[in-house]
Amino acid sequence: DSGVTQTPKHLITATGQRVTLRCSPRSGDLSVYWYQQSLDQGLQFLIQYYNGEERAKGNILERFSAQQFPDLHSELNLSSLELGDSALYFCASSPGGAALDNEQFFGPGTRLTVL
Amino acid sequence: AQKITQTQPGMFVQEKEAVTLDCTYDTSDQSYGLFWYKQPSSGEMIFLIYQGSYDEQNATEGRYSLNFQKARKSANLVISASQLGDSAMYFCAMREGQWLTGGGNELTFGTGTQLKVEL
Repeated sequence: DSGVTQTPKHLITATGQRVTLRCSPRSGDLSVYWYQQSLDQGLQFLIQYYNGEERAKGNILERFSAQQFPDLHSELNLSSLELGDSALYFCASSPGGAALDNEQFFGPGTRLTVL
Repeated sequence: AQKITQTQPGMFVQEKEAVTLDCTYDTSDQSYGLFWYKQPSSGEMIFLIYQGSYDEQNATEGRYSLNFQKARKSANLVISASQLGDSAMYFCAMREGQWLTGGGNELTFGTGTQLKVEL
């Protein structure tokens, strides 16, 4: 158990809909990362928050948004869903900061299926 | 250009044998970190080993070791005495030293190598 929790575990929805994925980081970790894993694109970084502020942005679509709340949990919002958004969405956490060796601890993922 | 390249989509190894999974990387940073993660069929991502760009010794963690060749920009994972439970997808990843210049510390992943351990 990494200490990172993600809900829900599975989500099945229709095209055009909007969903929210939730992540609680490990106790004490200030950074939250969102990654998308799909057959087409592999494992891609979407966005990082550090202590409530957006820190880095990757290949995140404009239809997607995220935020980190004062209690450090994070939500990833996916809207106007398309078939191609079907993927495994991981949240990871780490202390953040400049140390290169800070391991990122991954949650179990949310498997999104768009029908 | 790909930042992390894993050229072996699939590998087979016999139980108790050693296996090397290849990883090459591309960065212009002097400070960076290299990671290997394991993803079993159940889907979770499990951290295995870390190597820093300034580390002079190759990293080791139990049966895992990292063959770090900085000049060649390679960071191969060696698994000794393979076990059936080692069957999984293995990802090489890199973190570049962008934090001090306002960037993040996200990981860039390779495409992975599917390892199958056989009896």
